[in-house]
Amino acid sequence: VQLVESGGGLVQPGGSLRLSCAASGFSFSSHWVGWVRQAPGKGLEWVAHMNPDGSGEDYVDSVKGRFTISRDNAKNALYLQMSNLRAEDTAVYYCGRDPHFRAIDVWGQGTMVTVSS
Amino acid sequence: DVVMTQSPLSLPVTLGQPASISCRSSQSLVHSDGNIYLTWFQQRPGQSPRRLIYEVSNRDSGVPDRFSGSGSDTDFTLKISRVEAEDVGVYYCMQGVRWPPTFGGGTKVEIK
Repeated sequence: VQLVESGGGLVQPGGSLRLSCAASGFSFSSHWVGWVRQAPGKGLEWVAHMNPDGSGEDYVDSVKGRFTISRDNAKNALYLQMSNLRAEDTAVYYCGRDPHFRAIDVWGQGTMVTVSS
Repeated sequence: DVVMTQSPLSLPVTLGQPASISCRSSQSLVHSDGNIYLTWFQQRPGQSPRRLIYEVSNRDSGVPDRFSGSGSDTDFTLKISRVEAEDVGVYYCMQGVRWPPTFGGGTKVEIK
């Protein structure tokens, strides 16, 4: 059972980035999945999650209208499209499997996003 | 949003001694289904978080039985009966009852 994130990097304020998360070892299409971030030296913050068939999603207020979560169950992949990025979006972004009420039981290794000019 | 408050911020512990972390929520975490969706995570230095306990007191597979969770409504506790060197890290509680899910600020456990 594994989740592997990719796509992080350095981006200028106002720019865009797309994160990916590849799932393996479990039935991806049967699970809620989500993104959690951690600013450098700080705590954890849920960003977004999506239901198993991709028909429902939720976002934390600070990213609404700027981030879009999506998934491709045929590819066992989760995505986070981030636009209009701000300095405060700088963080390690983790994808996670949400088996029940956001109690993530499988975490990826994280991918670092740095928003800076 | 539900505010989760953890204490202490830092917890120096002697090896083999017990440790206790408190987590309080600003609202009841009892869901309409009667369950309480309070989760504890451990984050060792340089690693991703790891789930230890879900629904207040259910220990995950592979988690040593020296870890235990308890509590109800708005007041929760994570206990380590005898701290070992591998327990060093930051511990977070998280509520999953209401969106957005919110984490406590974390408690850093270190060895004296």
